[in-house]
Amino acid sequence: SQTIHQWPATLVQPVGSPLSLECTVEGTSNPNLYWYRQAAGRGLQLLFYSVGIGQISSEVPQNLSASRPQDRQFILSSKKLLLSDSGFYLCAWSGAPNQPQHFGDGTRLSIL
Amino acid sequence: GNSVTQMEGPVTLSEEAFLTINCTYTATGYPSLFWYVQYPGEGLQLLLKATKADDKGSNKGFEATYRKETTSFHLEKGSVQVSDSAVYFCALSDSNYQLIWGAGTKLIIKP
Repeated sequence: SQTIHQWPATLVQPVGSPLSLECTVEGTSNPNLYWYRQAAGRGLQLLFYSVGIGQISSEVPQNLSASRPQDRQFILSSKKLLLSDSGFYLCAWSGAPNQPQHFGDGTRLSIL
Repeated sequence: GNSVTQMEGPVTLSEEAFLTINCTYTATGYPSLFWYVQYPGEGLQLLLKATKADDKGSNKGFEATYRKETTSFHLEKGSVQVSDSAVYFCALSDSNYQLIWGAGTKLIIKP
């Protein structure tokens, strides 16, 4: 069966520091991968998605970036974090159009 | 463009009450429809889905029917429990590998 792993679960970072969040999927090949952000008490905001290695689509311009160095690995990065980057970051995968997305457990990022 | 509208929360009910969370959508073509649940501090879990008109998705006592004539996919449960307290998201698939999300409805069940 397919599983998705996301880490770390929680992270506290100072303003201006870099960021790297990692997501990996097991049990499937060529998944579509997604990064979402969820502010406290709010809905989901799609940040990036990828349909293949090296293919990244950005939905919201900001100081975050994403990369997909391997088929089942998706990384969210920043060179300098802002206070507004605080939130709950979720990685997800799907197999095909009209199919559901499956989510990791999320990373809670706090910026001090 | 495609969109999903959910009833605003929070919805507060007593244990064993009947639950309805409304979800309506606008879409071109024939999207699939989904309900997700998010428990506090966790990621989203797929609760149920429906892929064509008149399909009924069901799971853990929850049901939703894909109504094309009313463009709705309302979530229902006959008798809620305290453990059902969570945020519920309605979503539809578009043709571009993305899901269009509702804003989420927080459900609070009191014992």
